[in-house]
Amino acid sequence: GQQLNQSPQSMFIQEGEDVSMNCTSSSIFNTWLWYKQDPGEGPVLLIALYKAGELTSNGRLTAQFGITRKDSFLNISASIPSDVGIYFCAGQRTSYDKVIFGPGTSLSVIP
Amino acid sequence: GAVVSQHPSWVICKSGTSVKIECRSLDFQATTMFWYRQFPKQSLMLMATSNEGSKATYEQGVEKDKFLINHASLTLSTLTVTSAHPEDSSFYICGCPGTGGNTQYFGPGTRLTVL
Repeated sequence: GQQLNQSPQSMFIQEGEDVSMNCTSSSIFNTWLWYKQDPGEGPVLLIALYKAGELTSNGRLTAQFGITRKDSFLNISASIPSDVGIYFCAGQRTSYDKVIFGPGTSLSVIP
Repeated sequence: GAVVSQHPSWVICKSGTSVKIECRSLDFQATTMFWYRQFPKQSLMLMATSNEGSKATYEQGVEKDKFLINHASLTLSTLTVTSAHPEDSSFYICGCPGTGGNTQYFGPGTRLTVL
């Protein structure tokens, strides 16, 4: 079945540093989604990507849809303590289809 | 983005009882909703796709007779965990497609603890 991999699994960074995480897939997706989940809450959509090569920003966050359609990355610039959480990539093949989640990257920010 | 609510936010029940969890889309209509389960320190795993007016589609390994899904209207889907056991304790999250169907928005989750 479809499987997503995320790296790194976890990261500890100093406040103010930039962060980069990526997601790879064994199959092609037509939509890539990035979510953040805080403890005890549902995932919150950060960025949605719809075209191969697309680069999209949302404040300090930037994400790209890989050319092969099998990968995506998320960058966070100038990290702050509230960036702490679990970041999930997710892929979708077609509109209204199910969304497949990666295993997540746990981010800790040291003040 | 779309607003999705879930009720209850948490529930504790005795083994053998049934628990119903509601998922509502508050500001849009959803012919399809998705139910996920998340165990501690793990990712979201899709359990089933809820379809308004027809039967739900279950993922491989998910017992349809144990996890009953009813999508009674365009804004409400319910998941009933029947004869709950401690191993059913988990965080249950519903998701709804956004406009155009190429995003998905999630509810705040329901924490189920079965004693």
